[in-house]
Amino acid sequence: NAGVTQTPKFRVLKTGQSMTLLCAQDMNHEYMYWYRQDPGMGLRLIHYSVGEGTTAKGEVPDGYNVSRLKKQNFLLGLESAAPSQTSVYFCASSLDGREAFFGQGTRLTVV
Amino acid sequence: KQEVTQIPAALSVPEGENLVLNCSFTDSAIYNLQWFRQDPGKGLTSLLLIQSSQREQTSGRLNASLDKSSGRSTLYIAASQPGDSATYLCAALMNRDDKIIFGKGTRLHILP
Repeated sequence: NAGVTQTPKFRVLKTGQSMTLLCAQDMNHEYMYWYRQDPGMGLRLIHYSVGEGTTAKGEVPDGYNVSRLKKQNFLLGLESAAPSQTSVYFCASSLDGREAFFGQGTRLTVV
Repeated sequence: KQEVTQIPAALSVPEGENLVLNCSFTDSAIYNLQWFRQDPGKGLTSLLLIQSSQREQTSGRLNASLDKSSGRSTLYIAASQPGDSATYLCAALMNRDDKIIFGKGTRLHILP
């Protein structure tokens, strides 16, 4: 049982490049979330989705876009990466507001 | 805006002691509250989930309580062990907008 899988695990980008982080869950969960974790700041919600085809802004959405075309996948896009987006990104999913399960994270460095 | 606060930010205790970690939240309109453990460089592992209608949940040496009226939750760890050393995070799922809001965590170090 894979649970929540994030791809890639590590990435280095140059300023201005774009990339997409993929989160996949095999638990048929409705809710999915993207967070970033920075030292001293804790986990901050970027965007989230409460079902296929829906997305909503979290606390720090600027500079990111998301899509939920399929129920099992939640994509996080960076159109023009900036050094301030250097962080560890975590994806989570839950079934209708119950226990949330997290992926192992993606460590992104923007140089 | 919901704010979740965890105090203290860091805690060191000798092995074998019982300890309590605190989590407070400003908006009591929560659906549930969840406690997680995070080891350095790793993801989050769910420890306990308390629904808003519940007062406490137990798993092994862990007991979590919830008092919505006072905006507080505690995580009690009995007979602490060096393997309990990690960062502990609490998170509240909001009724209003389905957001999950995290505290910044308590970094726990159990001294052998």
